[in-house]
Amino acid sequence: AQTVTQSQPEMSVQEAETVTLSCTYDTSESNYYLFWYKQPPSRQMILVIRQEAYKQQNATENRFSVNFQKAAKSFSLKISDSQLGDTAMYFCAFIGSGNTGKLIFGQGTTLQVKP
Amino acid sequence: EPEVTQTPSHQVTQMGQEVILRCVPISNHLYFYWYRQILGQKVEFLVSFYNNEISEKSEIFDDQFSVERPDGSNFTLKIRSTKLEDSAMYFCASSEVDTQPQHFGDGTRLSIL
Repeated sequence: AQTVTQSQPEMSVQEAETVTLSCTYDTSESNYYLFWYKQPPSRQMILVIRQEAYKQQNATENRFSVNFQKAAKSFSLKISDSQLGDTAMYFCAFIGSGNTGKLIFGQGTTLQVKP
Repeated sequence: EPEVTQTPSHQVTQMGQEVILRCVPISNHLYFYWYRQILGQKVEFLVSFYNNEISEKSEIFDDQFSVERPDGSNFTLKIRSTKLEDSAMYFCASSEVDTQPQHFGDGTRLSIL
């Protein structure tokens, strides 16, 4: 069975600093897709970044980047120049290529950005 | 930017009653999903829907649950006889293809009394 694990329930960072959120996953598939979603206090689910497993290059989106280590099955999210608006719950999620689009989520990491 | 819309934003229902949660996916999307998030817990997959039929459903999605696309725009989740443990935030999502990012609605908070 495919699983996603986020081992950091809570993290905090000072405004303008950099923070890294960890995620590991387990799958026997060779091709799959990984995502980070952000859930602010308003409870919306907002896509932050996406990584295809067949791509070696790490995805980046402005201040957000990932460190994708396929052999280690690790997919961490780095947030640079943290802003107060980054305060949210962050979920790592996985879709297998043979699945029907089912997203498997990790437990989430609550990130608090402090002024 | 196109959005997934969900109604109502909050639904309060007596235990044992039927409830229908409504969603309007993004118009050119072909894959539709329902997820559930019990307060403070992770988001759980309920069901995926493609080509007018269920593609996959989780163990949570038992006989009390059903989904329907009654017309070209709406996608509904029905819970036939609600239980206290059905209290959660329910998210609808849609995507163009099954491996593309899913766009989520704002959710419906379901409270069962």
